[in-house]
Amino acid sequence: NAGVTQTPKFRILKIGQSMTLQCTQDMNHNYMYWYRQDPGMGLKLIYYSVGAGITDKGEVPNGYNVSRSTTEDFPLRLELAAPSQTSVYFCASSLVGNYGYTFGSGTRLTVV
Amino acid sequence: KNQVEQSPQSLIILEGKNCTLQCNYTVSPFSNLRWYKQDTGRGPVSLTIMTFSENTKSNGRYTATLDADTKQSSLHITASQLSDSASYICVVSAETGANNLFFGTGTRLTVIP
Repeated sequence: NAGVTQTPKFRILKIGQSMTLQCTQDMNHNYMYWYRQDPGMGLKLIYYSVGAGITDKGEVPNGYNVSRSTTEDFPLRLELAAPSQTSVYFCASSLVGNYGYTFGSGTRLTVV
Repeated sequence: KNQVEQSPQSLIILEGKNCTLQCNYTVSPFSNLRWYKQDTGRGPVSLTIMTFSENTKSNGRYTATLDADTKQSSLHITASQLSDSASYICVVSAETGANNLFFGTGTRLTVIP
C-alpha cells in the first residue's frame, strides 16, 4: 500500500515556465488536497477536491490549477511560474472531509 | 479569526529528557485536534487525533492533552530519542467543510546526545 505518492521530489523552474506536480493515492480516498509550506509558516491550502470531477479553491489558489478526472489522481498545474511559488508542495488525501489525512512526501520547487 | 499558535518555536533537549509542546487555538466550531510529526524533507505523519470529548491520548512515548474549554493542547514527549528530532505541527479542524483545517507553524525539536 503506497499511500500518497508525489512526483517529482525536486524541481527547478525558470520564471514563466509551466509544470505539473503529480499526486496519486491508492487508498480510494474521496478527498484530496494540495498544500504549500513556506519556511516558518503553517501549511496553506491551495486547492481541494471532494471527489472525481469536483474541485474547489482553498486559501491561496492564484497561479495554480487542478483537475480530478479519477479518484486516484489530483495533479497541480503551474502555468506561469513565479519566484513567489518557490515552496514545498504537499498533496494529501482523506476518506472523509476532516479526519484521517495522509500526506505525501512533498515536492520542493524552486523558481529562478 | 481561526488561528493556531504553537510554542515554543524551537526547542533543544538532551536525549532521554522529557519535553512538552504547546498549542493554543481559536478555531470554532471545533471538530478535532491533531498532532503531526514532520521529519526534515518529509510529509507530516499523524501522531494523535482528539475530538471534543477526549482530553488525553497516547501514542507510545507521545501523550497529547486537550482542554476544549481553554482551547489549549499539549504534546508531551517522554524519554526523548534522537529520532524525535523533527517539527511537530498542531492542526485544528473546524466542524464544517472540507476546507477547514488550520495549521500551526510548528515547533522544531532537536534532541542532542
